[in-house]
Amino acid sequence: DAGITQSPRHKVTETGTPVTLRCHQTENHRYMYWYRQDPGHGLRLIHYSYGVKDTDKGEVSDGYSVSRSKTEDFLLTLESATSSQTSVYFCAISESAGEGYEQFFGPGTRLTVL
Amino acid sequence: DAKTTQPPSMDCAEGRAANLPCNHSTISGNEYVYWYRQIHSQGPQYIIHGLKNNETNEMASLIITEDRKSSTLILPHATLRDTAVYYCIVRVIQKVTFGTGTKLQVIP
Repeated sequence: DAGITQSPRHKVTETGTPVTLRCHQTENHRYMYWYRQDPGHGLRLIHYSYGVKDTDKGEVSDGYSVSRSKTEDFLLTLESATSSQTSVYFCAISESAGEGYEQFFGPGTRLTVL
Repeated sequence: DAKTTQPPSMDCAEGRAANLPCNHSTISGNEYVYWYRQIHSQGPQYIIHGLKNNETNEMASLIITEDRKSSTLILPHATLRDTAVYYCIVRVIQKVTFGTGTKLQVIP
Protein backbone atom coordinates (compact mmCIF):
# COMPACT_ATOMS: atom_id res chain seq x y z
CA ASP A 1 0.00 0.00 0.00
CA ALA A 2 1.09 3.53 -0.74
CA GLY A 3 2.44 5.34 2.30
CA ILE A 4 -0.48 7.60 3.09
CA THR A 5 -1.77 8.27 6.57
CA GLN A 6 -4.56 10.49 7.75
CA SER A 7 -5.08 11.95 11.17
CA PRO A 8 -7.23 11.88 13.10
CA ARG A 9 -9.14 8.84 11.86
CA HIS A 10 -12.25 9.83 13.75
CA LYS A 11 -13.32 13.17 15.14
CA VAL A 12 -16.45 14.56 16.74
CA THR A 13 -16.69 18.30 17.05
CA GLU A 14 -19.27 21.02 17.59
CA THR A 15 -20.67 23.52 15.13
CA GLY A 16 -18.57 26.64 14.85
CA THR A 17 -15.28 25.13 15.97
CA PRO A 18 -12.21 25.00 13.71
CA VAL A 19 -11.03 21.60 12.56
CA THR A 20 -7.84 20.58 10.80
CA LEU A 21 -7.32 17.24 9.12
CA ARG A 22 -3.87 16.07 8.17
CA CYS A 23 -2.70 13.94 5.28
CA HIS A 24 0.87 12.66 5.35
CA GLN A 25 2.64 10.79 2.56
CA THR A 26 6.00 9.05 2.37
CA GLU A 27 5.98 8.61 -1.44
CA ASN A 28 7.28 12.06 -2.37
CA HIS A 29 4.40 12.44 -4.84
CA ARG A 30 3.82 15.91 -6.22
CA TYR A 31 0.01 15.89 -6.28
CA MET A 32 -2.22 15.63 -3.24
CA TYR A 33 -6.02 15.77 -3.03
CA TRP A 34 -8.80 16.06 -0.51
CA TYR A 35 -12.18 14.44 -1.21
CA ARG A 36 -15.32 14.09 0.80
CA GLN A 37 -17.72 11.16 0.53
CA ASP A 38 -21.39 11.36 1.34
CA PRO A 39 -24.22 8.91 0.69
CA GLY A 40 -25.68 9.44 -2.77
CA HIS A 41 -22.87 11.73 -3.91
CA GLY A 42 -19.87 9.47 -4.42
CA LEU A 43 -16.51 11.16 -3.86
CA ARG A 44 -16.26 14.86 -4.53
CA LEU A 45 -13.04 16.80 -4.86
CA ILE A 46 -12.59 19.61 -2.33
CA HIS A 47 -9.10 20.96 -3.05
CA TYR A 48 -5.92 19.68 -4.56
CA SER A 49 -2.26 20.62 -4.55
CA TYR A 50 0.22 20.40 -7.40
CA GLY A 51 3.27 21.31 -5.36
CA VAL A 52 4.44 23.01 -2.18
CA LYS A 53 2.32 26.13 -1.67
CA ASP A 54 0.45 25.43 -4.94
CA THR A 55 -3.21 24.61 -4.48
CA ASP A 56 -6.47 24.90 -6.39
CA LYS A 57 -10.17 24.47 -5.76
CA GLY A 58 -12.22 21.44 -6.55
CA GLU A 59 -15.94 20.92 -6.93
CA VAL A 60 -16.97 21.56 -3.31
CA SER A 61 -14.39 23.96 -1.89
CA ASP A 62 -16.69 26.40 -0.07
CA GLY A 63 -16.07 26.33 3.68
CA TYR A 64 -12.70 24.63 3.33
CA SER A 65 -9.13 25.83 3.07
CA VAL A 66 -5.92 23.92 2.52
CA SER A 67 -2.23 24.39 3.01
CA ARG A 68 0.86 22.58 1.87
CA SER A 69 4.11 23.81 3.36
CA LYS A 70 5.98 20.53 2.81
CA THR A 71 5.80 17.92 0.08
CA GLU A 72 4.67 15.26 2.51
CA ASP A 73 1.87 17.10 4.30
CA PHE A 74 -1.45 18.45 3.04
CA LEU A 75 -3.77 20.01 5.59
CA LEU A 76 -7.51 20.53 5.23
CA THR A 77 -9.07 23.15 7.51
CA LEU A 78 -12.68 23.80 8.30
CA GLU A 79 -12.54 27.32 9.72
CA SER A 80 -15.96 27.05 11.36
CA ALA A 81 -17.40 23.57 11.10
CA THR A 82 -21.04 23.11 10.16
CA SER A 83 -23.27 20.05 10.34
CA SER A 84 -23.25 19.85 6.53
CA GLN A 85 -19.54 19.09 6.73
CA THR A 86 -20.19 15.84 8.54
CA SER A 87 -18.64 13.37 6.14
CA VAL A 88 -15.85 10.93 5.47
CA TYR A 89 -12.77 12.69 4.16
CA PHE A 90 -10.22 10.95 1.97
CA CYS A 91 -6.80 12.15 1.03
CA ALA A 92 -5.17 10.94 -2.18
CA ILE A 93 -1.78 11.31 -3.84
CA SER A 94 -0.45 10.92 -7.33
CA GLU A 95 2.96 11.18 -8.90
CA SER A 96 1.80 13.02 -11.96
CA ALA A 97 -1.20 14.64 -13.57
CA GLY A 98 -0.13 13.35 -16.93
CA GLU A 99 -1.53 10.47 -18.89
CA GLY A 100 -1.88 7.19 -17.12
CA TYR A 101 -1.48 8.46 -13.60
CA GLU A 102 -3.31 6.81 -10.75
CA GLN A 103 -4.37 8.16 -7.40
CA PHE A 104 -3.62 6.33 -4.17
CA PHE A 105 -6.06 6.91 -1.37
CA GLY A 106 -5.61 7.10 2.36
CA PRO A 107 -7.76 5.28 4.92
CA GLY A 108 -10.12 8.19 5.49
CA THR A 109 -11.20 10.41 8.39
CA ARG A 110 -14.73 10.23 9.70
CA LEU A 111 -15.81 13.67 10.88
CA THR A 112 -19.01 14.33 12.78
CA VAL A 113 -20.11 17.90 13.43
CA LEU A 114 -22.79 18.17 16.10
CA ASP B 1 -15.37 17.08 -17.45
CA ALA B 2 -17.14 14.19 -19.13
CA LYS B 3 -19.83 12.65 -16.97
CA THR B 4 -20.29 8.94 -16.55
CA THR B 5 -23.36 6.79 -16.08
CA GLN B 6 -23.26 3.44 -14.34
CA PRO B 7 -25.97 1.06 -13.15
CA PRO B 8 -26.45 1.43 -9.40
CA SER B 9 -26.08 -2.26 -8.63
CA MET B 10 -25.24 -5.64 -10.12
CA ASP B 11 -24.98 -9.23 -8.93
CA CYS B 12 -22.47 -11.80 -10.11
CA ALA B 13 -22.03 -15.47 -9.22
CA GLU B 14 -18.72 -16.38 -7.64
CA GLY B 15 -16.29 -17.72 -10.23
CA ARG B 16 -18.10 -16.12 -13.14
CA ALA B 17 -17.02 -13.06 -15.07
CA ALA B 18 -18.36 -9.75 -13.85
CA ASN B 19 -19.00 -7.22 -16.61
CA LEU B 20 -19.52 -3.68 -15.37
CA PRO B 21 -20.69 -1.15 -17.96
CA CYS B 22 -20.05 2.58 -18.05
CA ASN B 23 -21.45 5.19 -20.38
CA HIS B 24 -19.36 8.29 -21.08
CA SER B 25 -20.96 9.67 -24.22
CA THR B 26 -19.50 13.18 -23.79
CA ILE B 27 -15.91 12.05 -23.45
CA SER B 28 -13.31 14.16 -25.22
CA GLY B 29 -10.55 12.82 -27.39
CA ASN B 30 -7.81 13.21 -24.80
CA GLU B 31 -9.72 12.03 -21.74
CA TYR B 32 -8.77 8.74 -20.16
CA VAL B 33 -11.21 6.26 -18.64
CA TYR B 34 -10.26 5.09 -15.13
CA TRP B 35 -11.77 2.47 -12.92
CA TYR B 36 -11.52 2.36 -9.14
CA ARG B 37 -13.26 0.30 -6.53
CA GLN B 38 -14.08 0.85 -2.89
CA ILE B 39 -14.44 -2.06 -0.54
CA HIS B 40 -16.70 -1.28 2.40
CA SER B 41 -15.47 1.97 3.96
CA GLN B 42 -11.86 1.78 2.80
CA GLY B 43 -10.24 4.31 0.49
CA PRO B 44 -10.81 3.76 -3.24
CA GLN B 45 -8.39 1.42 -4.97
CA TYR B 46 -7.13 1.94 -8.52
CA ILE B 47 -7.95 -0.90 -10.93
CA ILE B 48 -7.14 0.03 -14.52
CA HIS B 49 -7.24 2.85 -17.05
CA GLY B 50 -7.29 3.29 -20.84
CA LEU B 51 -7.58 5.81 -23.64
CA LYS B 52 -8.53 4.00 -26.83
CA ASN B 53 -7.19 0.48 -26.76
CA ASN B 54 -8.38 -2.38 -24.61
CA GLU B 55 -6.26 -2.90 -21.54
CA THR B 56 -5.59 -5.84 -19.24
CA ASN B 57 -3.73 -6.17 -15.98
CA GLU B 58 -3.62 -8.65 -13.13
CA MET B 59 -6.89 -7.38 -11.71
CA ALA B 60 -9.15 -6.79 -14.69
CA SER B 61 -9.69 -6.02 -18.36
CA LEU B 62 -11.02 -2.78 -19.78
CA ILE B 63 -12.90 -2.79 -23.07
CA ILE B 64 -13.49 0.62 -24.67
CA THR B 65 -15.81 0.92 -27.65
CA GLU B 66 -14.42 2.28 -30.87
CA ASP B 67 -16.36 5.55 -30.53
CA ARG B 68 -15.15 5.74 -26.90
CA LYS B 69 -18.63 6.54 -25.65
CA SER B 70 -18.79 3.53 -23.37
CA SER B 71 -16.57 0.98 -21.70
CA THR B 72 -16.82 -2.27 -19.77
CA LEU B 73 -14.73 -3.42 -16.85
CA ILE B 74 -14.34 -7.18 -16.75
CA LEU B 75 -13.38 -9.14 -13.66
CA PRO B 76 -12.69 -12.54 -15.24
CA HIS B 77 -13.35 -14.76 -12.21
CA ALA B 78 -15.20 -12.85 -9.52
CA THR B 79 -14.58 -13.78 -5.91
CA LEU B 80 -16.39 -12.74 -2.76
CA ARG B 81 -13.58 -10.26 -2.10
CA ASP B 82 -14.55 -8.42 -5.27
CA THR B 83 -17.78 -7.27 -3.64
CA ALA B 84 -17.39 -3.49 -3.70
CA VAL B 85 -18.55 -0.26 -5.29
CA TYR B 86 -16.91 0.25 -8.68
CA TYR B 87 -16.36 3.73 -10.04
CA CYS B 88 -15.83 4.66 -13.67
CA ILE B 89 -14.37 8.14 -14.14
CA VAL B 90 -12.96 10.19 -16.96
CA ARG B 91 -10.52 13.02 -16.61
CA VAL B 92 -8.13 15.21 -18.46
CA ILE B 93 -7.39 17.62 -15.66
CA GLN B 94 -7.22 17.38 -11.90
CA LYS B 95 -10.81 18.30 -11.19
CA VAL B 96 -12.20 14.83 -11.41
CA THR B 97 -15.40 13.75 -9.74
CA PHE B 98 -16.29 10.24 -8.75
CA GLY B 99 -19.95 9.40 -9.31
CA THR B 100 -22.00 7.02 -7.19
CA GLY B 101 -20.65 3.95 -8.97
CA THR B 102 -21.97 0.40 -9.30
CA LYS B 103 -22.35 -1.73 -6.22
CA LEU B 104 -21.23 -5.21 -7.26
CA GLN B 105 -22.42 -8.05 -5.07
CA VAL B 106 -20.65 -11.36 -5.67
CA ILE B 107 -22.91 -14.21 -4.66
CA PRO B 108 -21.57 -17.58 -3.41
